Amino acid sequence: QVQLQESGPGLVKPSQTLSLTCTVSGGSISSIGYYWSWVRQLPGKGLEWIGYVYYSGSAYYSPSLKSRVAISIDTSQNQFSLRLSSVTAADTAVYYCARSASGTYGLKVDYWGQGTLVTVSS
Amino acid sequence: DIQMTQSPSSLSASVGDRVTITCRASQSISSYLNWYQQKPGKAPKLLIYAASSLQTGVPSRFSGSGSGTDFTLTISSLRPEDFATYYCQQTYTSPSITFGQGTRLEIK
Repeated sequence: QVQLQESGPGLVKPSQTLSLTCTVSGGSISSIGYYWSWVRQLPGKGLEWIGYVYYSGSAYYSPSLKSRVAISIDTSQNQFSLRLSSVTAADTAVYYCARSASGTYGLKVDYWGQGTLVTVSS
Repeated sequence: DIQMTQSPSSLSASVGDRVTITCRASQSISSYLNWYQQKPGKAPKLLIYAASSLQTGVPSRFSGSGSGTDFTLTISSLRPEDFATYYCQQTYTSPSITFGQGTRLEIK
């Protein structure tokens, strides 16, 4: 059973960089066909896709966040990470890490972390 | 970006009811459509992928249909644990992936 766990600061100051790490257990982050993803949910709102990374290190981002986002992977630690720069209060959200499986009709998110609330405030 | 529009935004129903939620894409996405269920304070859970394929472990009362721009999620007979918020998701234009705004299913 694959499990994912987010970790990182729960409070970030405006204009700084939000950094989160996701630790994967119960499976290898180097498995073929899986993309390691980040999704966020603003308070009381819907889901927003951030991006994903493959074990090779290739990363893909949502166009709306692309200029501020970097997702990286550390296969030796079975972890992947999110960095979001120049944050504002509008980036306050629950951040989920997740595993996306590739199939005939695109990706499906089959495993999720529990989510971590990140608040942007001075 | 492809816009995903769900209807209704909220819905009241009773245990045992048959419920249908609709998701419409702003352009054709073939069958690149997933459905998720989310309960308060919890991560979403995958129900249906590729428009109509039931994820392993999901009860058979859940079903999905559609292709192109119009999709539906149907719950054949509501159970108490089904009251939650449901989201559709298109992955046709990955990495520009978008979700619908959600449908909140409440107990009548």
